[in-house]
Amino acid sequence: SYVLAQPPSVSVAPGQAAIITCGGSNIGGRSVHWYQQKPGQAPVLVVYNDHNRPSGIPERFSASNSGNTATLTIIRVEAGDEADYYCQVWDADSDQVFGGGTKLTVL
Amino acid sequence: QITLKESGPTLVKPRQTLTLTCTFSGFSLTTSGVGVGWIRQPPGKALEWLALIYWNEDKRYSPSLRSRLTITKDTSKNQVVLTMTDMDPVDTATYYCTHRLRLSGHIEFWGQGSLVTVSS
Repeated sequence: SYVLAQPPSVSVAPGQAAIITCGGSNIGGRSVHWYQQKPGQAPVLVVYNDHNRPSGIPERFSASNSGNTATLTIIRVEAGDEADYYCQVWDADSDQVFGGGTKLTVL
Repeated sequence: QITLKESGPTLVKPRQTLTLTCTFSGFSLTTSGVGVGWIRQPPGKALEWLALIYWNEDKRYSPSLRSRLTITKDTSKNQVVLTMTDMDPVDTATYYCTHRLRLSGHIEFWGQGSLVTVSS
C-alpha cells in the first residue's frame, strides 16, 4: 500500500514561513491534498489538487508537488495556524491515504 | 449547505459490533458521482480511511479492515450506516463521516466526529 511520510513536528516563529513536507514514491504523479486540524475539531481542507485553495483559505497557504515530495508552505505564520496538518492522496487500493500528520507549533 | 452528523454509541465492549449512522443534508446519495465515506482517528494519532459507498452502490473498504466492515445506505432517510465487528480497544477513535465526489480525491465536507471508546 502507498505510504506518505510527514515530519512529526515543525516549529516556527510568528511572521515566519512554515514548510511542511509530505514524502511518497513518485508523489509528483499524484494529486495531493492538505488538511488542517485543530484540537477537538474535524479536519479542514486547505489545499486540493496540489496547489488549489478552497474558498475562505488565506493566500498565505500554498503548496507544490514534484518528484517524491509535496510541500505545504504557510507564510507569515500566525498563532491561529497552530494545528496538525495532514497530506492525503487517492490510491486505487485504499481510496484515501493520509500521512502521519505534522504538528505545527508557533513559538 | 452540506452537513453530515455521526451518531451511535460512545462506549462499546470488546468483541461487540459497532454501528454508526451518518445523517446528512444538502445533497442526495441518488446523484451520480456522489458518495459518503468513513474515516477514523485514534486519540493523538493520524487519520485512517475506512470505507466508502457511492450513489450506485459501489462500495470500497480499507484492505486491512475489510473483513470487519460493512457500509450501507438508506437514500430515503439520507443516511449511511457503518458496522464494524469484533471491536477491540485499539479501535477506540473518533469516527468521521465525509462527503465524497467520485471525480475528486479530496474531502471538502466532514461531520463533526463521534468518539467511540472500546472498553469492558
